[in-house]
Amino acid sequence: DTGVSQDPRHKITKRGQNVTFRCDPISEHNRLYWYRQTLGQGPEFLTYFQNEAQLEKSRLLSDRFSAERPKGSFSTLEIQRTEQGDSAMYLCASSLEQVGYGYTFGSGTRLTVV
Amino acid sequence: GNSVTQMEGPVTLSEEAFLTINCTYTATGYPSLFWYVQYPGEGLQLLLKATKADDKGSNKGFEATYRKETTSFHLEKGSVQVSDSAVYFCALSDRGGTSYGKLTFGQGTILTVHP
Repeated sequence: DTGVSQDPRHKITKRGQNVTFRCDPISEHNRLYWYRQTLGQGPEFLTYFQNEAQLEKSRLLSDRFSAERPKGSFSTLEIQRTEQGDSAMYLCASSLEQVGYGYTFGSGTRLTVV
Repeated sequence: GNSVTQMEGPVTLSEEAFLTINCTYTATGYPSLFWYVQYPGEGLQLLLKATKADDKGSNKGFEATYRKETTSFHLEKGSVQVSDSAVYFCALSDRGGTSYGKLTFGQGTILTVHP
């Protein structure tokens, strides 16, 4: 297994455009998480899936954000009408559903909105 | 709600010095505790973890003990190396309810080790 993959690694977009990121988790992991990290801060929770079900969404996730995990495998995170405040590193992680099981993180997608 | 507080950084040490990075937490339940490390240009990696009181997590010479009475999980290493230069994040994971498994992170501590 190659770990958690995220694509693209970097994305520069103009304000107002839509962007979509993809995450491929470790195949046997049934949980998938999206986090956002800004410079000098720890990752902030956005949303997570157990298999294909989206179980929780943060209040940080405005209506412009949507995430899917259609077949319980890969996931996409879409941001519509991007704003400069959306510039951040978007991290995906996967895990098994076990007490104390740590996450495996991907390398992230760095979004810059100009 | 849950929260994690790490000591103010950045931390700058000479090689072979002793390292302590303080971490305290607030949780409604009985969480699992983690330290993650982020090397320059890389993603976060799990460094060590502890799932119950008095457990000691250890890896690569780093240690941290789950102290329920002081709600702390301080990271220590007896002799740091230049290659330990990175950002260190303390985190906790809920053990119940819909937030089960969700990680709450501290703000991170930048460690720089000089030769």
